[in-house]
Formats: sequence, structure tokens, C-alpha cells
Amino acid sequence: DTGVSQDPRHKITKRGQNVTFRCDPISEHNRLYWYRQTLGQGPEFLTYFQNEAQLEKSRLLSDRFSAERPKGSFSTLEIQRTEQGDSAMYLCASSLKDPGGYTFGSGTRLTVV
Amino acid sequence: KNEVEQSPQNLTAQEGEFITINCSYSVGISALHWLQQHPGGGIVSLFMLSSGKKKHGRLIATINIQEKHSSLHITASHPRDSAVYICAVNSGGSNYKLTFGKGTLLTVNP
Repeated sequence: DTGVSQDPRHKITKRGQNVTFRCDPISEHNRLYWYRQTLGQGPEFLTYFQNEAQLEKSRLLSDRFSAERPKGSFSTLEIQRTEQGDSAMYLCASSLKDPGGYTFGSGTRLTVV
Repeated sequence: KNEVEQSPQNLTAQEGEFITINCSYSVGISALHWLQQHPGGGIVSLFMLSSGKKKHGRLIATINIQEKHSSLHITASHPRDSAVYICAVNSGGSNYKLTFGKGTLLTVNP
């Protein structure tokens, strides 16, 4: 297992377009998290899955954001009608238990132009 | 006031120096984490603490639950230690999501 994989690493999109990011967690980890990090700030919690169930969604996530984790394996984060304020690093992490030793992916850096 | 405060925000040291980064938090926690982030984004988990002290190589992390304070120490610092060090907590009401500090940018010069 090579850790948590995120794809793509970088995404540049025009305002108003939809984008989708993928996260492949460590296979034994049933817990998966999405965070968003803007320049000079620590990451902020977006959403949490335990297996395929989305147990919490931050109020930071507007209706334009949706996350899924079908079959409790990989997860996708979709942003519809992107805005410049969505530009950030989107980080995925997984763990085996709560609280747990978290393994983070390398992130997807989104730039909305 | 943020729930997790780190100091200093920036730290420059000479190779070989002993480094201390501090983290204070204002909420009850179930665990505290120290993480390392290199340019480009990747975050590596260094320690998870709920009490006492942990050591891994040249890194030492301590936590004082009563004072709501933790420190990360780096002994015999090296330029490859240059990174952002982030403190994060699982606050008492949530065992799963992390609340992060803003990070400390450490630069170790040769």
C-alpha cells in the first residue's frame, strides 16, 4: 500500500466550471476525511466518512460541494459552478480509528481563474 | 481567538540548534497531533499524544493536559528539518475531526 493517493495534484479551471477530485485511502482504513487549506492557514475540516456513510459535513461546504464514498473505498469531492474563493489545497486523510493516526494525501491544488 | 494557537509563527535556526515549537489549546481534547508539512502540500503525521511524552529519533513531543499546552522539540536540527510544523487537536466533542493551528514555519540554515 502506497498511502493515500489524490488525483489530480493540480487543477486549473475557469470560474463556473465543475471539478471533481478523487481520493484513494489506505485500503484498511474505514475512516476518510476531506480538509481544505488556504495559503498561510491550517487545514479546515470539510467532511467525514465512516465506511460509505457521510457522518458530518461542515457548514463551510455550500450546496455547490458534494462528496461521496461509494462502497466505502475511494471518495470523490465535486465542486459545481466554481468560484475564485474555492481556490485552495484540498487534502484527503484516512485512519483506522477515532482518534487515530492519520495518513494524509499530497493534496489537490485547485486554482479558479 | 482560535482554539489552537501556535508560537512562534516563524522560526529560523542554525544547524545543530535545539528547537522548541509551542502549542496551546482552549478546549477539552481527546488527542493532540504534531504534523509536518513540506512545500507542495504533503502532510506527515509525527506524533499523536493524549498524555506525557513521546520520542522518535531527534523529535520529542510533550503535553501538559492541565495547562492545555504541548511542545515539539527538535534536537540537533538539520536543514532537512525545514518545514511547517502544525499542531492539531481532536476536541472533546469530536473524536474524528481535527482542528488545526496555523503552523510554524521552521527554517534551519546550514
